Amino acid sequence: GAVVSQHPSWVICKSGTSVKIECRSLDFQATTMFWYRQFPKQSLMLMATSNEGSKATYEQGVEKDKFLINHASLTLSTLTVTSAHPEDSSFYICSARDNSRGREGYTFGSGTRLTVV
Amino acid sequence: GENVEQHPSTLSVQEGDSAVIKCTYSDSASNYFPWYKQELGKRPQLIIDIRSNVGEKKDQRIAVTLNKTAKHFSLHITETQPEDSAVYFCAASLSGGSYIPTFGRGTSLIVHP
Repeated sequence: GAVVSQHPSWVICKSGTSVKIECRSLDFQATTMFWYRQFPKQSLMLMATSNEGSKATYEQGVEKDKFLINHASLTLSTLTVTSAHPEDSSFYICSARDNSRGREGYTFGSGTRLTVV
Repeated sequence: GENVEQHPSTLSVQEGDSAVIKCTYSDSASNYFPWYKQELGKRPQLIIDIRSNVGEKKDQRIAVTLNKTAKHFSLHITETQPEDSAVYFCAASLSGGSYIPTFGRGTSLIVHP
């Protein structure tokens, strides 16, 4: 149980274009999902908390107009990196909590390796 | 907010040796402490967790200890194997419904055969 699917697993895009990453909870409903960014050999940095049916909550220093988050249903959250630049290249990971499992249900997606050229 | 410090950043051991990774946290309200293992290019996987009402938890070769007074917790891996090589993250969370863990910086464990 508590499976989170993330797509795509990797993407290469040109500078100035936008990229959408999907995060789906496959066997549970997630009112809250989380988006992390991870640089090589570094920790998971929380970018934003995605709330179903309402606006995302962004961490300090994260540009909400650049990293658009939409959580339109209880099983899907999307992160769109707009006008991507090479410095946006990173590993993006989503996670979700299965409330029926309490805190133990915090599961990560498989991650998306974004490379902006 | 919560601040989690993790040491060492890199740990190199010989196969069969034990490995210990230590974390400290700042918020005494934190009461849930998970550990995640992340292999290169893959998602972090929960390997063990501990709640503040216990001091130690064991699962085969993996154990976690918690000292609430000192606000530190540790991951112990015995009889290490090459497949244990990965990055390990500790985390701490505040009590209540809004569970968002704060992660340590990670420890790269290398087990030499």
